Amino acid sequence: QLQLQQSGPGLVKPSETLALTCTVSGDSISSSSYFWGWIRQPPGKGLEWIGSGYYTGSANYNPSLRGRVTILVDRSNRQFSLKLTSVTAADTAVYYCARLTPHYISGLHYFDSWGEGTLVTVSS
Amino acid sequence: IVLTQSPDTLSLSPGERATLSCRASQTVKSRSLAWYQQKPGQAPRLLISGASSRATDIPDRFSAGGSGTEFTLTISRLEPEDFAVYYCHQYGTSLLTFGGGTKVEI
Repeated sequence: QLQLQQSGPGLVKPSETLALTCTVSGDSISSSSYFWGWIRQPPGKGLEWIGSGYYTGSANYNPSLRGRVTILVDRSNRQFSLKLTSVTAADTAVYYCARLTPHYISGLHYFDSWGEGTLVTVSS
Repeated sequence: IVLTQSPDTLSLSPGERATLSCRASQTVKSRSLAWYQQKPGQAPRLLISGASSRATDIPDRFSAGGSGTEFTLTISRLEPEDFAVYYCHQYGTSLLTFGGGTKVEI
């Protein structure tokens, strides 16, 4: 069974870089079937897709964050990571990592398994 | 694609039927619409993919349907554990989006 274990600091200072890691167990991060993504949820609000990465190194990002976000897939360590630069209080949220799996009919990818979430607070 | 969920809050009793709506600002390609349940302090849990396919271990009191721009999630008889927030999510475009959520409360 797939498990996604998140790690990273819960407090980041304004203008600094938020960095989180998600370790994959129970399935292969190198599978050509899956993408690996990050989603965030500000306190009391809804979900926002941040971006998704593939084992080849390609990635796709939400345009609202483009230029500040990088998602990398590290096959050797079975991890994928999120870096968000120049953070402000508006970036305070619970950050989730998740696997995207292809639908058996359309082949398009949706989130099927989620990590437990990490609350990241941006404050000095 | 902007997803608008309604109502914002649904106040019902156990045993009642819940009908949640998700409207898309444009056609969702290939019925690429999923539904998630989220309880306080927990990650979202996948209920439905492909607009109507129940995920593994999801009880059959959860059903969903729709196409184009109109989608619905129905809970036939609410159990105490079903009171939560529900989100729709479209994955038919390269920019993935979520609806704002519907809270089902007692």
